[in-house]
Amino acid sequence: DTAVSQTPKYLVTQMGNDKSIKCEQNLGHDTMYWYKQDSKKFLKIMFSYNNKELIINETVPNRFSPKSPDKAHLNLHINSLELGDSAVYFCASSPKTSGELFFGEGSRLTVL
Amino acid sequence: AQSVTQLGSHVSVSEGALVLLRCNYSSSVPPYLFWYVQYPNQGLQLLLKYTSAATLVKGINGFEAEFKKSETSFHLTKPSAHMSDAAEYFCAVSRTGLTGGGNKLTFGTGTQLKVEL
Repeated sequence: DTAVSQTPKYLVTQMGNDKSIKCEQNLGHDTMYWYKQDSKKFLKIMFSYNNKELIINETVPNRFSPKSPDKAHLNLHINSLELGDSAVYFCASSPKTSGELFFGEGSRLTVL
Repeated sequence: AQSVTQLGSHVSVSEGALVLLRCNYSSSVPPYLFWYVQYPNQGLQLLLKYTSAATLVKGINGFEAEFKKSETSFHLTKPSAHMSDAAEYFCAVSRTGLTGGGNKLTFGTGTQLKVEL
């Protein structure tokens, strides 16, 4: 069983479109995250949710809207896609009692 | 603010040689430090973490790291490189050892390790 799963794994779309990436974790963790990894492999946190509540929102354009319907799911919707949004987006989760993040395999978004 | 600096974006070693990946941190509070590994087309996986207990930390796959406060360093080592160690390695820092709540990990820019025959 995959612990943190993201769909889709690859996404190619045109500028101006709207797209969503879904994430689910079956680890029973309370906290989930979205990270963005750019072409130089730099990883930056975007959002963090703790039990469906937004707790970290890192100066991300408001075209990005996360949604957590329950603590096992965290989705990312992106409006009006721009070329600079091309990146790999990683979902992750963590338990309260550990510093370890468990990452999904990533969703590679390419905006043409 | 906390940050980590990884010296050397690319490191190349021969199989069987010592692996040394460098990480220096900056933190106004006692830091918690982590090393993660990323294999091609995969997510990151925790190698080891320092949470203010022993300064020499042992991780998976034969890796270890030593926390040196005087040098603000947390370098990653492995005595003998294996071909399967080729990957991207990330150092990270947080304010606490926990990632729940408002705590977050700040990652370095990564070091690509290449292992040659």
